[in-house]
Amino acid sequence: AQKITQTQPGMFVQEKEAVTLDCTYDTSDPSYGLFWYKQPSSGEMIFLIYQGSYDQQNATEGRYSLNFQKARKSANLVISASQLGDSAMYFCAMREPNRDDKIIFGKGTRLHILP
Amino acid sequence: DADVTQTPRNRITKTGKRIMLECSQTKGHDRMYWYRQDPGLGLRLIYYSFDVKDINKGEISDGYSVSRQAQAKFSLSLESAIPNQTALYFCATSGGAGELFFGEGSRLTVL
Repeated sequence: AQKITQTQPGMFVQEKEAVTLDCTYDTSDPSYGLFWYKQPSSGEMIFLIYQGSYDQQNATEGRYSLNFQKARKSANLVISASQLGDSAMYFCAMREPNRDDKIIFGKGTRLHILP
Repeated sequence: DADVTQTPRNRITKTGKRIMLECSQTKGHDRMYWYRQDPGLGLRLIYYSFDVKDINKGEISDGYSVSRQAQAKFSLSLESAIPNQTALYFCATSGGAGELFFGEGSRLTVL
């Protein structure tokens, strides 16, 4: 069974609009961590944001925020005021520290920002 | 210099050849990982290690082996490469919170 599901293979968004990239996860462990990474066309992997399962507040980092809905097992990435440089692949990932503690990725969403 | 260094960055080889991808890190992290990336499949975990004596299989370990020579070094080997192992390979390390620090990737082509 897929642990991390990203249902949007690709998205096109107009510059300056907000973007929501979907991520759902599957775990029965109450302790876990969720991550988002960006991969521009140059290929490097860039860490964006982290949310712990016990965190009371949704994580935010500049223009990035994580819409964490625990009951729905959803951890969507929100990018406010999108920029051309946001065009990239975005990956959601999960860590289960009390289980095998490996870090598993979703298949990714390719975001295109249109001028 | 990069905190996580992978060598080689690009490699073309033939079916049946033995290949080693090397990874070294200066972050002082105990945890190291090898992933492969294929279009449409995201990153899939091959092996991971929490210290030199602790090595674990990931999602797709068949056809691969690893060696943790020291805290800072984690090598991935393909004993007999096959074309469907053509992919982009990433090494990564992590500290306590789990955030991964990636190398620049090694692009492997098996003909």
